[in-house]
Amino acid sequence: EPEVTQTPSHQVTQMGQEVILRCVPISNHLYFYWYRQILGQKVEFLVSFYNNEISEKSEIFDDQFSVERPDGSNFTLKIRSTKLEDSAMYFCASSSGRRTEAFFGQGTRLTVV
Amino acid sequence: QQQVKQSPQSLIVQKGGISIINCAYENTAFDYFPWYQQFPGKGPALLIAIRPDVSEKKEGRFTISFNKSAKQFSLHIMDSQPGDSATYFCAASRPNSGNTPLVFGKGTRLSVIA
Repeated sequence: EPEVTQTPSHQVTQMGQEVILRCVPISNHLYFYWYRQILGQKVEFLVSFYNNEISEKSEIFDDQFSVERPDGSNFTLKIRSTKLEDSAMYFCASSSGRRTEAFFGQGTRLTVV
Repeated sequence: QQQVKQSPQSLIVQKGGISIINCAYENTAFDYFPWYQQFPGKGPALLIAIRPDVSEKKEGRFTISFNKSAKQFSLHIMDSQPGDSATYFCAASRPNSGNTPLVFGKGTRLSVIA
């Protein structure tokens, strides 16, 4: 069964450092998303991406965040200067169409120290 | 208005019992209501979803009941099993010209005990 894969599974970084979280969406999917989940809290939308540009972003997705699809398979989330409050589980998701199921990856746990 | 309110926060059910989780929303533009199941260390996985043109959808032991006038929807898990122990999130999204994000509830931690 096709799945969304994310790397690394766990990333520890120092405050102020840049991190890049990587995702390989399901191959025939066209719509890509990043969500995050602070420990014990709800899943929150960060950004959606289609046709090589951002479709929508939340208030959380400020200038410290950026997304990129550098090649035909990867979808990345970059945090330029991490803060302690960026510590969370980050989920990548993809879907084949606007109104179809979004499939989630297993997540990357980001710990900022 | 973008919120989805979910209750209860946690739920303990005996094996074989019925688990019921409720969600309410404000935004009448929402038109897609999925339920996601999440096991520890894993990403959310779609369990079942409903659109407002029907009042109920059943898939195996899982049923969504939808009340459009009350702006509420609920998940019923019949014959609950220990393997159903997980966190369940309701969500909603609105139609849009582009891909629209899911708005999640805060989650319900379900424990099914033997």
